[in-house]
Amino acid sequence: DIQMTQSPSTLSASVGDRVTVTCRASQSFSTWLAWYQQKPGKAPKLLIYRASSLESGVPSRFSGSGSGTEFTLTISSLQPDDFATYYCQQYDTYPWTFGQGTKVEIK
Amino acid sequence: QLHLQESGSGLVKPSQTLSLTCDVSGGSISSGGSSWNWIRQPPGRGLEWIGYIYYSGGTYFNPSLKSRVIISIDKSKNQFSLNLTSVTAADTAVYYCARARGGGRIDHWGQGSLVTVSS
Repeated sequence: DIQMTQSPSTLSASVGDRVTVTCRASQSFSTWLAWYQQKPGKAPKLLIYRASSLESGVPSRFSGSGSGTEFTLTISSLQPDDFATYYCQQYDTYPWTFGQGTKVEIK
Repeated sequence: QLHLQESGSGLVKPSQTLSLTCDVSGGSISSGGSSWNWIRQPPGRGLEWIGYIYYSGGTYFNPSLKSRVIISIDKSKNQFSLNLTSVTAADTAVYYCARARGGGRIDHWGQGSLVTVSS
């Protein structure tokens, strides 16, 4: 299985901050990577797919980049609605696997 | 707008079978290019992909669960189902049904159904 490791596990930030979450893979693959946002008690929501493609309806402050073994999710200016847990997911190789999550908290 | 809704037993005894159904509305389960997935999340923990089924009946399962998982599809009812046999407390989780497209991006999720394994 491809292991996905996110860092940091928890991130404290303020409204307006630029935030970056990193996802590292245990083996290299192209760009079959997605990012999700999950709020407490809710299902995850797709933000980014193919590493850098923005899902329809997702604000442009979210962006993704990377390939190989390192991928990043960036929020250019953190908004109150963005405090949540973020997960990466690889869908290059079966079984599809997720990172352990990064919780973005209010500083 | 596509909508998925899980239903099933919220409490299952150890060694028994967990059964959940996902009703799909706002779109056809027979649409090409879509896989119909089950994903779970133990309380306070991360996400684990269980497996999927295509409208054709083709399936793929996570090897860690493959021996205990059955996923089926009922095109006439626009729904698909999960059966997980021989459950233990480690199977306690919120179970999500979801649609994936474009190789594996999961773009629509159900609200989730908490299943507790306990005697």
